[in-house]
Amino acid sequence: DIQMTQSPASLSASLEEIVTITCQASQDIGNWLAWYQQKPGKSPQLLIYDATSLADGVPSRFSGSRSGTQYSLKISRLQVEDIGSYYCQQAHSNPRTFGGGTKLELK
Amino acid sequence: EVQLVESGGGLVQPGSSLKLSCVASGFTFSSYNMHWIRQAPKKGLEWIALIYYDSSNKYYADSVKGRFTISRDNSKNTLYLEMNSLRSEDTAMYYCAKGYYSSYFDYWGQGVMVTVSS
Repeated sequence: DIQMTQSPASLSASLEEIVTITCQASQDIGNWLAWYQQKPGKSPQLLIYDATSLADGVPSRFSGSRSGTQYSLKISRLQVEDIGSYYCQQAHSNPRTFGGGTKLELK
Repeated sequence: EVQLVESGGGLVQPGSSLKLSCVASGFTFSSYNMHWIRQAPKKGLEWIALIYYDSSNKYYADSVKGRFTISRDNSKNTLYLEMNSLRSEDTAMYYCAKGYYSSYFDYWGQGVMVTVSS
């Protein structure tokens, strides 16, 4: 199985700050990578797919990038509605696997 | 508007069975692969099963293989997850999710809680 190592596990940031979350894949997954946001008590929502493509309706302050087998999610200017947990997911092969998650809080 | 509504969860004893349902609306259900994903309390997400749009292929996580069965009824726009030999570690919120480009999950249900405890 492909392992997705996500960091940090938790993150405290201020409004308008730039936030970056990373995921390291245990093997080459190409661009088969998605990011999800889960607000407290809610279902996850797709943010980014194919490593860099923004899902419909997602604000442009969210962006994804790739460097080899390392993937990053960047929030350019943190807003209060961005608070929650974030997960990466590889879609290269079964079983689909998620990173362990990053809990983002306001400082 | 796409909607996925799960049902069938509850409190059950270890070793028992349960069948979850997910009724879909707002899209052509028979054209999309569907998934079940679960989340244990205060834990991360775990993909557990995939069924192709025409039921031709099914895939499972090792943690549920041989105990859980995914199925669908395209005439009823409904996805199912039959769970047998339930264990305490199966305690989780269970989400159904619509496949996006067959690889991602673009719509999720609200989830249904399954608690396995004596």
